[in-house]
Amino acid sequence: GAVVSQHPSWVICKSGTSVKIECRSLDFQATTMFWYRQFPKQSLMLMATSNEGSKATYEQGVEKDKFLINHASLTLSTLTVTSAHPEDSSFYICSARNAGAQETQYFGPGTRLLVL
Amino acid sequence: GENVEQHPSTLSVQEGDSAVIKCTYSDSASNYFPWYKQELGKRPQLIIDIRSNVGEKKDQRIAVTLNKTAKHFSLHITETQPEDSAVYFCAARSGGSQGNLIFGKGTKLSVKP
Repeated sequence: GAVVSQHPSWVICKSGTSVKIECRSLDFQATTMFWYRQFPKQSLMLMATSNEGSKATYEQGVEKDKFLINHASLTLSTLTVTSAHPEDSSFYICSARNAGAQETQYFGPGTRLLVL
Repeated sequence: GENVEQHPSTLSVQEGDSAVIKCTYSDSASNYFPWYKQELGKRPQLIIDIRSNVGEKKDQRIAVTLNKTAKHFSLHITETQPEDSAVYFCAARSGGSQGNLIFGKGTKLSVKP
């Protein structure tokens, strides 16, 4: 089956620093990747949709200048949390849609971010 | 836009019993409905999906039914086992073939041995 990797799996940083999270589709090409945020015991909240070679589409309420998304290739998308604050602490999960089977989305293992 | 409601939020069953989780959606144009299983601290795993041209789909102990008229779909797990314990999310895809998945709030299933 399709594999999506995410790095790092967890990160602890000081308030004010920036953190970059990578999402890779390992065995398929992903024209579209999605970034979700998940708080404890809650559902997956879509933050933005990332299309290869174009600007990301952000959901309402998500600050595009704070959560920078880059989708430079068909296998890599990055999310950078800029000037992180404690309230940004969360579980961030990416998902990739297989270009050859456009309905199915596969999730990465997630990145747990803790901002001190 | 699409809105997905999922019930119940928690479900506890005895090992061997069946579990049913129900979801409703609002956008009649939605045509793809996946179910994901998420264990604590792990990624959501696709366990089964159904498209709007099909009323029911089964994969071993797991089945999904879809009622387009009523705009609801359900996950059925038979002969539950302790390893079925997890949070289950339903989703509906809105906006056509390139649309986004809208997730329900999840159901925490506990299977007691």
